[in-house]
Amino acid sequence: EVQLVDSGGGLVQPGGSLRLSCAASGFTVSSNYMSWVRQAPGKGLEWVSVIYSGGSTYYADSVKGRFTISRDNSKNTLYLQMNSLRADDTAVYYCARYWGGDALDIWGQGTMVTVSS
Amino acid sequence: AIQMTQSPSSLSASVGDRVTITCRASQGIRNDLGWYQQKPGKAPKLLIYAASILQSGVPSRFSGSGSGTDFTLTISSLQPEDFATYYCLQDFNYPITFGPGTKVDIE
Repeated sequence: EVQLVDSGGGLVQPGGSLRLSCAASGFTVSSNYMSWVRQAPGKGLEWVSVIYSGGSTYYADSVKGRFTISRDNSKNTLYLQMNSLRADDTAVYYCARYWGGDALDIWGQGTMVTVSS
Repeated sequence: AIQMTQSPSSLSASVGDRVTITCRASQGIRNDLGWYQQKPGKAPKLLIYAASILQSGVPSRFSGSGSGTDFTLTISSLQPEDFATYYCLQDFNYPITFGPGTKVDIE
């Protein structure tokens, strides 16, 4: 079965760090474009980052310089390293396959990140 | 960044109604637009990509059209399971941007 499983969320203090994971099954992460999208409580969807199969990465301005997207091919897993976290980073974070660079066709179930003292 | 707007922001409709949601981009994006459905507490679901291509497994009552700056999502006959929030997304360039969403609820 093709699926993504998000994990790693939790409560972190402002200025802290957290690493999110997204384990894939049924397809190969390294052969696809992969993305992170977040949703603050009660708000709309916000694109965060993408990594191409070739390794190129892009980020939303709101996270550039603080977040890093990466993958571990041996574990077939996508990551989002989040540093210097702020209260406005509080959100459910979803990973998604960005199929063919055309559409976010497979989504993880999401993992909640709360930044609060 | 390309700004995406949607109208209406919410609507009330009945089962069987024809529903149309509009999405507008602040600049031309060819047909690099997708539509997503989200139900409370769930991940978004891809409905349509490249403005008009129906994702596999999505019912044919959903359709999309448009190119350039103006796009529409149409539900030809609203079903109980269609009550949800709908988002458009542009991936013409980075940063990828979503519309603010349209909530469809029961009249």
